[in-house]
Amino acid sequence: QSVLTQPPSVSAARGQTVTISCSGSSSNIGNNYVSWYQQLPGTAPKLLIYDNNKRPSGIPDRFSGSQSGTSATLGITGLQTGDEADYSCGTWDSSLSTYVFGTGTKVTVL
Amino acid sequence: QLQLQESGPGLVKPSETLSLTCTVSGGSVTSRSYYWGWIRQPPGKGLEWIGSIYYGGSTYYNPSLKSRVTRSVDTSKNQFSLQLSSVTAADTAVYFCARVEGVYSYSSYYFDHWGQGTLVTVSS
Repeated sequence: QSVLTQPPSVSAARGQTVTISCSGSSSNIGNNYVSWYQQLPGTAPKLLIYDNNKRPSGIPDRFSGSQSGTSATLGITGLQTGDEADYSCGTWDSSLSTYVFGTGTKVTVL
Repeated sequence: QLQLQESGPGLVKPSETLSLTCTVSGGSVTSRSYYWGWIRQPPGKGLEWIGSIYYGGSTYYNPSLKSRVTRSVDTSKNQFSLQLSSVTAADTAVYFCARVEGVYSYSSYYFDHWGQGTLVTVSS
């Protein structure tokens, strides 16, 4: 049972925008930075966002992250068929002394 | 370019010990700036952090697995390893190794490079 809750799935038409929420608590998102990972079918996760809103080199600016209180959000603009994947948030939980991942969200491009 | 590659048996019997190795290329496990970690993903489920190790020996484990996990670093081979004892069917998963940012602060802790993963099935 993950301590970070995400919607199981979101969908939108190609070219549109989707947002994925990640809800936690003061012991995790409320006091530590959030990262986001993209997992294309059958592949390893890939870092998309770190420190709430920073993009590693090579990640397009269509991907953005934000954090407010005990929640974080991943946004994807200009949705492409290649964006169909599972997306997971993650952060350190200071109370549990463990890194925690979100429940994961499947993005479907209509 | 940094690359990580997991290796180990794909099938382990219940109650035995799962052993995996991650070989790092394009970088060094002795880097002072990173941890090296293991994450697993049961079929059809989400990601679970297993633990991380620093080349100097510091280790950090998921409390739920701590009693069964052993980790080590082999600097001569530029590898790090994972051993998970007393496995059950619940340990069946794809196991990933990764480079971990977070040496300076748990507040900023994330996995910036991942191996492709290896499926380990626990079955008699």
